[in-house]
Amino acid sequence: GAVVSQHPSWVICKSGTSVKIECRSLDFQATTMFWYRQFPKQSLMLMATSNEGSKATYEQGVEKDKFLINHASLTLSTLTVTSAHPEDSSFYICSAPTGTGAVAEAFFGQGTRLTVV
Amino acid sequence: AQKVTQAQTEISVVEKEDVTLDCVYETRDTTYYLFWYKQPPSGELVFLIRRNSFDEQNEISGRYSWNFQKSTSSFNFTITASQVVDSAVYFCALISNFGNEKLTFGTGTRLTIIP
Repeated sequence: GAVVSQHPSWVICKSGTSVKIECRSLDFQATTMFWYRQFPKQSLMLMATSNEGSKATYEQGVEKDKFLINHASLTLSTLTVTSAHPEDSSFYICSAPTGTGAVAEAFFGQGTRLTVV
Repeated sequence: AQKVTQAQTEISVVEKEDVTLDCVYETRDTTYYLFWYKQPPSGELVFLIRRNSFDEQNEISGRYSWNFQKSTSSFNFTITASQVVDSAVYFCALISNFGNEKLTFGTGTRLTIIP
């Protein structure tokens, strides 16, 4: 089946620094990718939709200047957490649908556990 | 607007028992897809099943089975003869508004299988 690879799987950074997380579709092209955030013992909350060749679409309440998204190619989307603070510590996970519309099957990356100290 | 409700926050059963995870959804669209995902302690989300709104046939895959009832807007998931490896958080999710791939997730059910 389709594979989505996310890197790194975990990262610890100092407060005030920036962290980049990569999401790659390994055997299919994804014009759209999604970024989610999951707090401990909670559900996944959609942060933004990454669109290849255009600006990302952010969900209400998500700071676009803090969570920079770049969809540089049909197989790669990156999420950069800028000037990270402890409250940004969370589990970030990306997904990529293998097609278009609701028929698409969404495959998820392994997730990135970010800890800001 | 769409919504997915998983009323069971946590469930614990003894190994080999059967267990059913409930999922109730809300959507105004007539075309939609329902999903179940498994999230083991490692964190990745594992796709289990997708069901479209026009197919109410129940599905069985090994020890897993799904009961889709449009009349009650439910898409319940049953694990038969549970095993310790089934311990995980299970999420039910919905895509509607055809052409928009955004998944709406339920809050998840943490399933613990006791050896």
